[in-house]
Amino acid sequence: SQTIHQWPATLVQPVGSPLSLECTVEGTSNPNLYWYRQAAGRGLQLLFYSVGIGQISSEVPQNLSASRPQDRQFILSSKKLLLSDSGFYLCAWSPGQSNQPQHFGDGTRLSIL
Amino acid sequence: AQSVAQPEDQVNVAEGNPLTVKCTYSVSGNPYLFWYVQYPNRGLQFLLKYITGDNLVKGSYGFEAEFNKSQTSFHLKKPSALVSDSALYFCAVRDMSGSGNTGKLIFGQGTTLQVKP
Repeated sequence: SQTIHQWPATLVQPVGSPLSLECTVEGTSNPNLYWYRQAAGRGLQLLFYSVGIGQISSEVPQNLSASRPQDRQFILSSKKLLLSDSGFYLCAWSPGQSNQPQHFGDGTRLSIL
Repeated sequence: AQSVAQPEDQVNVAEGNPLTVKCTYSVSGNPYLFWYVQYPNRGLQFLLKYITGDNLVKGSYGFEAEFNKSQTSFHLKKPSALVSDSALYFCAVRDMSGSGNTGKLIFGQGTTLQVKP
């Protein structure tokens, strides 16, 4: 069966420091991959999605970037964190077929001090 | 423009009573609809989906949803609520805009379900 892993679960970083969050999927190939941010336990904001290795689409202009160095690996990065980058970051994957749901990891709680 | 609306920020029900969490959508063409549940500090868990066929869809944990094309709604229901159903619920529709098969979803803002013992 397919599984998705995100780490770390929680992270506290100072303003101006770099960031790297990693997400990996097991048990499938050629997944679509997604990074979301959720503020205050409410709505989801899609940050990036990828339909293949090296293919990244950005949904909103921001201080973050994403990379997909391997088929089942999706990385969210920042060179210098801002206070506004605090939030709950969720990675998700879906098969290529459009009638299939996305499946989510357990998220990373990022606090910026 | 495509959109999903969950008109209630919070729904309160007593344990054992039926529950309904409302969702309406706006898309061009036939919708692919999904419901998710989120417990505190966890990711979203998939509950059920409507793609085509029977308007009443059954999913995990006793939940079901009714697709109504004329009312563009996809309400989540459960005949008898449990305290453990208390969580944040999201409705979503497949984003059909653009080209290619991105699998993107458009999410509602979420509804908090509170089940009181």
